[in-house]
Amino acid sequence: QKEVEQDPGPLSVPEGAIVSLNCTYSNSAFQYFMWYRQYSRKGPELLMYTYSSGNKEDGRFTAQVDKSSKYISLFIRDSQPSDSATYLCAMNGGSNYKLTFGKGTLLTVNP
Amino acid sequence: KAGVTQTPRYLIKTRGQQVTLSCSPISGHRSVSWYQQTPGQGLQFLFEYFSETQRNKGNFPGRFSGRQFSNSRSEMNVSTLELGDSALYLCASSLDSMYQPQHFGDGTRLSIL
Repeated sequence: QKEVEQDPGPLSVPEGAIVSLNCTYSNSAFQYFMWYRQYSRKGPELLMYTYSSGNKEDGRFTAQVDKSSKYISLFIRDSQPSDSATYLCAMNGGSNYKLTFGKGTLLTVNP
Repeated sequence: KAGVTQTPRYLIKTRGQQVTLSCSPISGHRSVSWYQQTPGQGLQFLFEYFSETQRNKGNFPGRFSGRQFSNSRSEMNVSTLELGDSALYLCASSLDSMYQPQHFGDGTRLSIL
């Protein structure tokens, strides 16, 4: 079993849709959870950083962490064509210092 | 505030050669980590430097090495290049710890012929 599982998609939605992206993980020591957005030919851009369980909101983005289920989500409201990118989840914690990434979900928002 | 800067953006090398990549972290950040990104394996951790010392290391062969200077700038070196080393090499910086938010540069695209 991989430490972090992420559906690679691709995911295609119309402009204005609510997008839900998810990752599951197996290591209960993970405490820090991140979502990155990566455009083609660019590096990952940090969108959300959360610690432990709960929700965090930043503009159109909401991150949720459910440690009991080992499940994290990123919601994008009112999606825009500029949101078209690959979204990567990442996590670390405990003695696991290195960020462990999901493989990424390719999202396309159609005008 | 300037972000993480990596140079060069693109490199083409042949098998057996060596290469050095450079990374300038965000001002004030002292932890610098390196990652390799490939379509098949995704993002994999190479190593982390803090205060000019390698603090953490991933599962890569000794051909991959790095160093950090007193101004926190870091370099990564790959010797005896192999075809499988073709990848995007990413540098990330954070304030003091890998548990803090890590900010990435745009990477160096290394192609081995």
